[in-house]
Amino acid sequence: AQTVTQSQPEMSVQEAETVTLSCTYDTSESDYYLFWYKQPPSRQMILVIRQEAYKQQNATENRFSVNFQKAAKSFSLKISDSQLGDAAMYFCAYRETSYDKVIFGPGTSLSVIP
Amino acid sequence: ETGVTQTPRHLVMGMTNKKSLKCEQHLGHNAMYWYKQSAKKPLELMFVYNFKEQTENNSVPSRFSPECPNSSHLFLHLHTLQPEDSALYLCASSRGFEGGQETQYFGPGTRLLVL
Repeated sequence: AQTVTQSQPEMSVQEAETVTLSCTYDTSESDYYLFWYKQPPSRQMILVIRQEAYKQQNATENRFSVNFQKAAKSFSLKISDSQLGDAAMYFCAYRETSYDKVIFGPGTSLSVIP
Repeated sequence: ETGVTQTPRHLVMGMTNKKSLKCEQHLGHNAMYWYKQSAKKPLELMFVYNFKEQTENNSVPSRFSPECPNSSHLFLHLHTLQPEDSALYLCASSRGFEGGQETQYFGPGTRLLVL
């Protein structure tokens, strides 16, 4: 069965600094999707970034980028120039291409220190 | 705003009450989902509907009864709940089982407290 692991329950970063959140997953599939979702205190789950497994190029969205290591089954999220609004729970998620079910990791709580 | 709305945002109910949660998506999607988010636990998928047909029931107790009258609306009917059912209930939608890029868009959630 597929699993998603986030080994850092809590992290903190100084404002304007860079932080990396870790995610590993377990699958026997070769084609799938990976996501990072952000859930601020308002509880609204928001998509941050998405990566297709067949693409070798790492996805980037403004200050957010991923380091996708397919062989290692690792999918880390880098947040550059951290802002106070980045404080939230961050969930890593996995979805097979042929199965309409997303598996979420346990989340990492990110605090941003002014 | 993600194009997915949920009502009510907060709900307090007794164990003998019957209530319903509503979700509506304005994205033209074909799939809708119910998730349960409890404190210190990963998101738990409850139900999946594709084109109004239920395609996933993740061993959810029968006191939770979903209804999907069309691709834009999803309900979760609640009856004789237990205090451990208190949680944030999230609705999501996606384009559905079409392959290609696939992303779920979430509503703001309903915070449920069962007394």
